Amino acid sequence: SQQGEEDPQALSIQEGENATMNCSYKTSINNLQWYRQNSGRGLVHLILIRSNEREKHSGRLRVTLDTSKKSSSLLITASRAADTASYFCATLRYQKVTFGTGTKLQVIP
Amino acid sequence: DVKVTQSSRYLVKRTGEKVFLECVQDMDHENMFWYRQDPGLGLRLIYFSYDVKMKEKGDIPEGYSVSREKKERFSLILESASTNQTSMYLCATHGNRTDTQYFGPGTRLTVL
Repeated sequence: SQQGEEDPQALSIQEGENATMNCSYKTSINNLQWYRQNSGRGLVHLILIRSNEREKHSGRLRVTLDTSKKSSSLLITASRAADTASYFCATLRYQKVTFGTGTKLQVIP
Repeated sequence: DVKVTQSSRYLVKRTGEKVFLECVQDMDHENMFWYRQDPGLGLRLIYFSYDVKMKEKGDIPEGYSVSREKKERFSLILESASTNQTSMYLCATHGNRTDTQYFGPGTRLTVL
């Protein structure tokens, strides 16, 4: 069963705008990770936030985690055409990583 | 950097054939995973392994088996391929000291 569900399923924005993706999950977790996948390729790890953290930054990425609501968000600021990809959240629980269904982001130049 | 390679990028097989998908990693990681990815369903875990000769079923193991004879190599086997196994197959690995998964480039399998 899917642990993480991303929202929206697809997002189209203009270059320079911010993109926000949300992830909801069902059970308690050790940590939550975000991955990026370019079309037809493998996934690349972006950022990890632990269950005792609320917010984390990495470059233009900002991740928040609300364990009481079992949700996380990924914000990409000042988007670029090269950010066009699918983004997945993944939760870790007892050494098992479970991925969501992904958000497809298109950044229009 | 971790390197995860998969034996083929594209593969076309016929129904009933036995199919081997191989994954090799060069970072001495203990944990290896096989996922399949389908539109609208995200990544679903087929099998994983925490050590040599060790295997655990994931969420959708039916129709698949795995082999881990050496630490660096994790093979996914389709004993008798069926059309509903047409999918993108992704191998991943991570070490015991990190939760980050490193992925191979994927194998797009078509079963006719």
